[in-house]
Amino acid sequence: EAGVTQSPTHLIKTRGQQATLRCSPISGHTSVYWYQQALGLGLQFLLWYDEGEERNRGNFPPRFSGRQFPNYSSELNVNALELEDSALYLCASSLGSGSTDTQYFGPGTRLTVL
Amino acid sequence: GESVGLHLPTLSVQEGDNSIINCAYSNSASDYFIWYKQESGKGPQFIIDIRSNMDKRQGQRVTVLLNKTVKHLSLQIAATQPGDSAVYFCAEKGGGSNYKLTFGKGTLLTVNP
Repeated sequence: EAGVTQSPTHLIKTRGQQATLRCSPISGHTSVYWYQQALGLGLQFLLWYDEGEERNRGNFPPRFSGRQFPNYSSELNVNALELEDSALYLCASSLGSGSTDTQYFGPGTRLTVL
Repeated sequence: GESVGLHLPTLSVQEGDNSIINCAYSNSASDYFIWYKQESGKGPQFIIDIRSNMDKRQGQRVTVLLNKTVKHLSLQIAATQPGDSAVYFCAEKGGGSNYKLTFGKGTLLTVNP
């Protein structure tokens, strides 16, 4: 069974540009989560999508947005990039959104903002 | 934010020894806990989980212990191997925030051959 996949692996942008990151969940999983792992800050929750809807977001500005498609894949968009947006962006998926539904992570997209 | 720590705790062990990685969690209402392993340049990999109605769960070479009284979680790795070298994170879920994981700061495990 294929795991969570993310693309691209690496992405280099300059300040002010926009970045688009993509995620395909494990087959059969309907919930997708995005996390940011910045150096020295650990993993922070960004966004949660379930059944095509944004269900919740973490403490990030509105320039972080995304969507979930009918096939449950997801896209994370970061507008007006800032230097501190440089981080590993991780996508996770789960079978549902219950409290014991395990989240499985993809390999991440390394975003570098110059 | 909820992330913690700039300094990563480290644990260095000899190959073949048992390792114990500890984690203090924050929310007494959390009802589900997970240990993840993250190797350099990769995403977190699920190791083992435990629900709050249990105090111990065993997997292959790994055991998770949960002490809800002191909000403490531990991961025991038996016969540690060089391939176990990674950063280990505990994560908690539930208590009204079922949709997201709250991660601990992580522990860097180094296994010396």
